[in-house]
Amino acid sequence: DTEVTQTPKHLVMGMTNKKSLKCEQHMGHRAMYWYKQKAKKPPELMFVYSYEKLSINESVPSRFSPECPNSSLLNLHLHALQPEDSALYLCASSQGWRSGGSGNTIYFGEGSWLTVV
Amino acid sequence: AQSVAQPEDQVNVAEGNPLTVKCTYSVSGNPYLFWYVQYPNRGLQFLLKYITGDNLVKGSYGFEAEFNKSQTSFHLKKPSALVSDSALYFCAVEGAQKLVFGQGTRLTINP
Repeated sequence: DTEVTQTPKHLVMGMTNKKSLKCEQHMGHRAMYWYKQKAKKPPELMFVYSYEKLSINESVPSRFSPECPNSSLLNLHLHALQPEDSALYLCASSQGWRSGGSGNTIYFGEGSWLTVV
Repeated sequence: AQSVAQPEDQVNVAEGNPLTVKCTYSVSGNPYLFWYVQYPNRGLQFLLKYITGDNLVKGSYGFEAEFNKSQTSFHLKKPSALVSDSALYFCAVEGAQKLVFGQGTRLTINP
């Protein structure tokens, strides 16, 4: 089973709202990711959690706040977003990383479509 | 830094013909290379990867890719295209705890 589940599939929020995107995997993976994807563009990495600790933050604005409650769950808390933040947000997971490269396959969820109005 | 390039924004192929989607890479060290496919309004699906060993890698849905070290290429191929293969294809290389994606190639299979 190579499934990453994301909820909600669609979210519309105002610029003053607080909302969260949720992600779950049961593959025993120890690395989880948030990517942002604009239409017809490649995914852009936002955050990486490795063994439940934040290991990469690609200079993402603080209005995006990730959280990894346990090894199976990953959240992305959203607050005071801008219309340009509207995009497809992809969660992904993989085996844990090791130095020197790993060849880990990263498995993606179906994404959450976010519209900021 | 690790990078990949997909020189074609769009590829059009007639159904039943062979298809090739091109990818070249630039890495320091051993390359770990991947292909993903994205159907409209969907997430990314893993197709195949090259880690080491045989230069011809077989993957899902009848796709294969050929790793060529001298040409630093990792082209995706399929002997006979289906209309259902129409999608956006991304080549990627492993970076530091992440994938670095190419810009994507939109593949259209014409009936």
